Amino acid sequence: AQRVTQPEKLLSVFKGAPVELKCNYSYSGSPELFWYVQYSRQRLQLLLRHISRESIKGFTADLNKGETSFHLKKPFAQEEDSAMYYCALGYSSASKIIFGSGTRLSIRP
Amino acid sequence: NAGVTQTPKFQVLKTGQSMTLQCAQDMNHEYMSWYRQDPGMGLRLIHYSVGAGITDQGEVPNGYNVSRSTTEDFPLRLLSAAPSQTSVYFCATRSRSMNTEAFFGQGTRLTVV
Repeated sequence: AQRVTQPEKLLSVFKGAPVELKCNYSYSGSPELFWYVQYSRQRLQLLLRHISRESIKGFTADLNKGETSFHLKKPFAQEEDSAMYYCALGYSSASKIIFGSGTRLSIRP
Repeated sequence: NAGVTQTPKFQVLKTGQSMTLQCAQDMNHEYMSWYRQDPGMGLRLIHYSVGAGITDQGEVPNGYNVSRSTTEDFPLRLLSAAPSQTSVYFCATRSRSMNTEAFFGQGTRLTVV
């Protein structure tokens, strides 16, 4: 069955420290993978997608099919990065997206 | 261009009451979905639709009904509310192309007492 696993419920790091939010997925086909972010009192919004291979707000994520992982990384955390982050898997000809349980990132000053 | 609009934003129900959560989009997206967000469990897919007249079950469909009579609207019905349905509900839309972004409504916070 399709599944997205985010092992960390909470990640707390100091400003300026590197950040890595882990995501593993289970899917036998070609996955669509995304990271969504939810800032306080705002709706969920797309942060980045694996197909784009781009850096958004300093964040990058690389799809590793061998390890079935799509970890989110940022070399230097900023206070405004504090938010809830969700890894998501799209499948079934793009009709379905399922989410992991989320990781709350807290950046300490 | 409002995007995805959910109503109401807040609702308190008594156990056994029924209600409908509304979701409307003006983005002409084919795909629409309902999720519930619970602490420690992330977003779980309740029902989804790939077009008008077509709906299917997600991960946690029990206790919820949906219909899709138009492209724009995708209401979620709770026929007999239970305390376990206390949650924040999100509607999302997406075009049918691969790897496209899902757009979310602002959420409905539902409490069942």
